[in-house]
Amino acid sequence: EAGVTQFPSHSVIEKGQTVTLRCDPISGHDNLYWYRRVMGKEIKFLLHFVKESKQDESGMPNNRFLAERTGGTYSTLKVQPAELEDSGVYFCASSQEFTLGNTIYFGEGSWLTVV
Amino acid sequence: AQSVTQLGSHVSVSEGALVLLRCNYSSSVPPYLFWYVQYPNQGLQLLLKYTSAATLVKGINGFEAEFKKSETSFHLTKPSAHMSDAAEYFCAVSVAGTASKLTFGTGTRLQVTL
Repeated sequence: EAGVTQFPSHSVIEKGQTVTLRCDPISGHDNLYWYRRVMGKEIKFLLHFVKESKQDESGMPNNRFLAERTGGTYSTLKVQPAELEDSGVYFCASSQEFTLGNTIYFGEGSWLTVV
Repeated sequence: AQSVTQLGSHVSVSEGALVLLRCNYSSSVPPYLFWYVQYPNQGLQLLLKYTSAATLVKGINGFEAEFKKSETSFHLTKPSAHMSDAAEYFCAVSVAGTASKLTFGTGTRLQVTL
């Protein structure tokens, strides 16, 4: 069974450009999460989808970030326009349920560098 | 709000020595606690989790952790380090009402030397 897959694995863009990150969750997982780790800091929650609906987007840093999950399958996270402080690793994760203690499976991350 | 503190951003041990990675949590309600590991060029992998059952939790690759409510701790241990254990380890907490949202610590990078 395929795990959580993310694309691209690495991206280098200039300040002001747009980047779109894609995440394919484990098949059958209704819950999809985005997390981010800025260099040297902790991994922080960005948002949570249940199927195609945003359950919690309290961690989204500002309106330059837009996440979508059309059809409840894969998700995209767009950063427009990108700023230097957006550099970091963006992790996608999925789970079958969101009951407490349920295992959340992470992808390998998309490394974003804004120059 | 809940939080996690990992003491020591870098830990170095000799191969065969005890591994001890520290994690303390803060939560006003009973927590669920997790340890994740990130090997070089890989994603986050669940090592083990505490979900209010047994306080001593065994995970993969010989790791275990003990939930100590009185000390608000969930330290990760392994009796004998192996070179392949070199990685970054993350402690995380989740509580009721947050839809399994994880709050992570800053991570501890484990180096294993010969």
